[in-house]
Amino acid sequence: DTTVKQNPRYKLARVGKPVNLICSQTMNHDTMYWYQKKPNQAPKLLLFYYDKILNREADTFEKFQSSRPNNSFCSLYIGSAGLEYSAMYLCASSRGRDGDEQYFGPGTRLTVL
Amino acid sequence: TQTVSQSDAHVTVFEGDSVELRCNYSYGGSIYLSWYIQHHGHGLQFLLKYYSGNPVVQGVNGFEAEFSKSDSSFHLRKASVHWSDSAVYFCAVSSMSNYNVLYFGSGTKLTVEP
Repeated sequence: DTTVKQNPRYKLARVGKPVNLICSQTMNHDTMYWYQKKPNQAPKLLLFYYDKILNREADTFEKFQSSRPNNSFCSLYIGSAGLEYSAMYLCASSRGRDGDEQYFGPGTRLTVL
Repeated sequence: TQTVSQSDAHVTVFEGDSVELRCNYSYGGSIYLSWYIQHHGHGLQFLLKYYSGNPVVQGVNGFEAEFSKSDSSFHLRKASVHWSDSAVYFCAVSSMSNYNVLYFGSGTKLTVEP
């Protein structure tokens, strides 16, 4: 099974409230990634886990948290949502080796009001 | 810093036409170049990749891409498109020893009309 699952598919949040997005894969992949995608923009890497080690991009370091309680699951946490967080959030996984393809979930569309 | 540029936001062709989707990149080190496709409502799916060797690489469903070091390009082509090829196509770069992190272009939406 090469499916990456994301829950929920759609999320409505109020400004200032927390948001937690979930991703899972059963391919035993070492690496799981979170990207943010806004309309007419490139998917942008937010952070990734290689095994149990979290790596966050410098410009989003303080805005997003994540946890990976086991190899299959990875969450993306926003402590206090702002309007600018409205976007599609894409989860992906791969073996993490150079050139390996990434497998993507269908995304979670977050709307912050 | 890697940058990936897809100059055409939208491309419209007719079924049976050939198509080329353009991708230019900027990076000085050893990289992998890849293309992903996203059908509406679905996740991105891998199409093909290039690292070294023959500059023309074949992917699924009749797609191929050609690497050009002199032009810093990795254009995607298909000789005869089908309506089911309508999707958004993303070009991406990943560098060696960086956990396969992808840096994407902004995508090209391909519409194939009957």
